[in-house]
Amino acid sequence: EAGVTQSPTHLIKTRGQQVTLRCSPISGHTSVYWYQQALGLGLQFLLWYDEGEERNRGNFPPRFSGRQFPNYSSELNVNALELEDSALYLCASSVGLRTGELFFGEGSRLTVL
Amino acid sequence: GQQVMQIPQYQHVQEGEDFTTYCNSSTTLSNIQWYKQRPGGHPVFLIQLVKSGEVKKQKRLTFQFGEAKKNSSLHITATQTTDVGTYFCAGRRDSSYKLIFGSGTRLLVRP
Repeated sequence: EAGVTQSPTHLIKTRGQQVTLRCSPISGHTSVYWYQQALGLGLQFLLWYDEGEERNRGNFPPRFSGRQFPNYSSELNVNALELEDSALYLCASSVGLRTGELFFGEGSRLTVL
Repeated sequence: GQQVMQIPQYQHVQEGEDFTTYCNSSTTLSNIQWYKQRPGGHPVFLIQLVKSGEVKKQKRLTFQFGEAKKNSSLHITATQTTDVGTYFCAGRRDSSYKLIFGSGTRLLVRP
């Protein structure tokens, strides 16, 4: 069974540009989470989707947005990139709204120059 | 908002020594989870605790959930070099709320 897949794995952007990161959850999982992990730091909660709806949003500016598609895959969009957006963006999926374990993808490493 | 803190930030031990990381939440949690992230890797689920005062063991790892469901600990007995990584706790205020991760404790083991 395939795990959570994310693309791209690495990307380099310049300040002011826009980026779209993609995530495919494990088959049968309806919940998708996005976290930001700056180098050597913890996981900061970004967004949580379940069954196509946004369930919770973290303390990030509106230029961070996302969506979940009918097939439960998800996109994270970041507009007007800033240097401090450089981080590993991790996507995770879980079976449903109230179930526990999160399965993480390998992440998308974003560098903003 | 809900905050989850972990101490210590770093722990450097000699192989064979014990290790403990502590997790404290600003709010009562419905459950707490623990994850391990190896260097260069992604977080991997270890365990979930749900009940007040719950204690669970996985080989050399012992997990506890506090009576007030606001704190938790992970204890590793006789560390090995394979235990190297960052250990994160993560908790929810309730089952329909976002999962908030602690700041993590990075464990280094000297062979």
